[in-house]
Amino acid sequence: EPEVTQTPSHQVTQMGQEVILRCVPISNHLYFYWYRQILGQKVEFLVSFYNNEISEKSEIFDDQFSVERPDGSNFTLKIRSTKLEDSAMYFCASSPKPNQPQHFGDGTRLSIL
Amino acid sequence: AQSVTQPDIHITVSEGASLELRCNYSYGATPYLFWYVQSPGQGLQLLLKYFSGDTLVQGIKGFEAEFKRSQSSFNLRKPSVHWSDAAEYFCAVAFTGGGNKLTFGTGTQLKVEL
Repeated sequence: EPEVTQTPSHQVTQMGQEVILRCVPISNHLYFYWYRQILGQKVEFLVSFYNNEISEKSEIFDDQFSVERPDGSNFTLKIRSTKLEDSAMYFCASSPKPNQPQHFGDGTRLSIL
Repeated sequence: AQSVTQPDIHITVSEGASLELRCNYSYGATPYLFWYVQSPGQGLQLLLKYFSGDTLVQGIKGFEAEFKRSQSSFNLRKPSVHWSDAAEYFCAVAFTGGGNKLTFGTGTQLKVEL
């Protein structure tokens, strides 16, 4: 069964550094998403992406964050100038159409020191 | 504001016993409804979904859920729990007109006693 794959599984970064989280969505999916889960809290929506542009973003997704689909397979989340509170599990998801079930990757655990 | 509530943070059941995990939502119309399961160190796996039609939906691993419009609920059930079902379960909702984003409940941690 096709899967969403995320790399790395764990990223440790110094505060203030930039980090790029990578995702390979399922190949025939057209809608891509990032969510995060701070330890002990619920999963929160960050951003959705379709047709090479952001279709929706949450208030969490401020100017510190950006997303990109640099080629036909990868979907990346960049966090500039990381802060301690950015420490969380970041999940990538994809779906074939809007409001169709989203398929999630195993996540990247981001630790900011 | 639109919201999803999972009132039970932790539930412990004996292997072989039945299970019901509760989920309620607050919204003026019928949303799209999902249950996901997360095992330790793993991503979120879709168990089942409700879009429309029959209010009792079947999912993977022997799970089912029933949509009750009058109660704004979408409770997850399993008639006989297996030890491997121990995990965290998340109810999620996509509100129509709210784009594609999923709004998650806080999750229910299921422990299975042998």
